[in-house]
Amino acid sequence: AIQMTQSPSSLSASVGDRVIITCRASQGIRNDLGWYQQKPGKAPKLLIYAASNLQSGVPSRFSGSGSGTDFTLTISSLQPEDFATYYCVQDYNYPYTFGQGTKLEIK
Amino acid sequence: EVQLLESGGGLVQPGGSLRLSCAASGFTFNSYAMTWVRQAPGTGPEWVSVISGGNTYYADSVKGRFTISRDNSKNTVYLQMNSLRAEDTAVYYCAKGSHSWDYWGQGTLVTVSS
Repeated sequence: AIQMTQSPSSLSASVGDRVIITCRASQGIRNDLGWYQQKPGKAPKLLIYAASNLQSGVPSRFSGSGSGTDFTLTISSLQPEDFATYYCVQDYNYPYTFGQGTKLEIK
Repeated sequence: EVQLLESGGGLVQPGGSLRLSCAASGFTFNSYAMTWVRQAPGTGPEWVSVISGGNTYYADSVKGRFTISRDNSKNTVYLQMNSLRAEDTAVYYCAKGSHSWDYWGQGTLVTVSS
């Protein structure tokens, strides 16, 4: 199975900060990668699909980039509602695999 | 409005069985693959299974024990879980589509414990 390695595992930041989360695949996955946000007790929410496509309704401060093995999720200016845990997931081949998550906390 | 409603979770002893259901509405159910994702307490999500057309795929951790199926007449996808283990304890979510899951259910908790 393809392994997805996210970094950092946790991050403290302030409102207004620019934040970058990275995800590395153990083999090339083209651009078959999604990013999800999850808040406690809730299902994950799709932010980005196909590495760089913003899901409808998601604020434009979220962006994704990358292809092959290295990907990034960027939040350009953190808002209070963005403090959550973020996951990447490869949908290149089965079994799909998630990264271990990045918990974004308020500094 | 798309809605996914899981049911069937609960407490089961190791070695036991459960069948989860996910009732869908608000979209043309038979046109979409359906996926199960689970999340054990304090951990990240884990992809479990997908049914896409006539094809089914499973995580290695559940292969041979879990079976995904669907009834398009009832707009429902199922996950039959047999030979349950403590490590299957998780919230189980169904999600619309084979990937890029834009709609999820609220989840149903499965606890495997004696």
